Amino acid sequence: QVQLVQSGAEVKQPGASVRVSCRPSGYNLNNYYIHWVRQAPGQGLEWMGWINPYSGATKYAEQFQGRVTVAWDLSISAAYMELSRLRTDDTAIYFCARDLVGGLHYSFQFWGQGSLVTVSS
Amino acid sequence: DIQMTQSPSSLSASVGDRVTITCRASQNIRTYVNWYQQKSGEAPKFLIYGVSGLQSGVPSRFSGSGSGTDFTLTISALQPEDFRTYYCQQSFTSPLTFGGGTRVEIK
Repeated sequence: QVQLVQSGAEVKQPGASVRVSCRPSGYNLNNYYIHWVRQAPGQGLEWMGWINPYSGATKYAEQFQGRVTVAWDLSISAAYMELSRLRTDDTAIYFCARDLVGGLHYSFQFWGQGSLVTVSS
Repeated sequence: DIQMTQSPSSLSASVGDRVTITCRASQNIRTYVNWYQQKSGEAPKFLIYGVSGLQSGVPSRFSGSGSGTDFTLTISALQPEDFRTYYCQQSFTSPLTFGGGTRVEIK
């Protein structure tokens, strides 16, 4: 079955960077875009960006431009999201999510379990 | 950016009740709306795509309707496992945006 398994919780200081990984399984990785979505404590959902695992193409939400990198790590067959220059308001659960089949549908059909990133001095 | 305004932000209902959640887009998004259900502490679950397409495995008591700017999610008869938070999301254009969520609580 389709699974997306994410890396564990992280605690970082302001100004640092964090990398969250997402390892998909149970389907042809090349056929589905991967998105990143975050959720601050007690808040709603915020889309961050996507990657096409086949081409490596990416697109980011404007508010994260310059601070976020989404890429595919061939060595572990996993996507990762790296967020730099962390602020306390970046404290959130970070989710990866798989799109629908056959292209970019801007939909989140399957989700990883989430990775809590806490930014605190 | 397209704003998705969801209402109500919370509601109280009983098992067996019919519940309707609305979502209004700040511009015409045709039928590009998805709905998600989230249990506290867990990842969201994909319920409905393209306004009314039921994701595999989702019970038929869930349904969606609407087009243009106004959309609804209806649960025909609430079950105990439906007391969760629901989000709409526009899939029309980037940046993808969500409604603020509707928390369905037990009366």
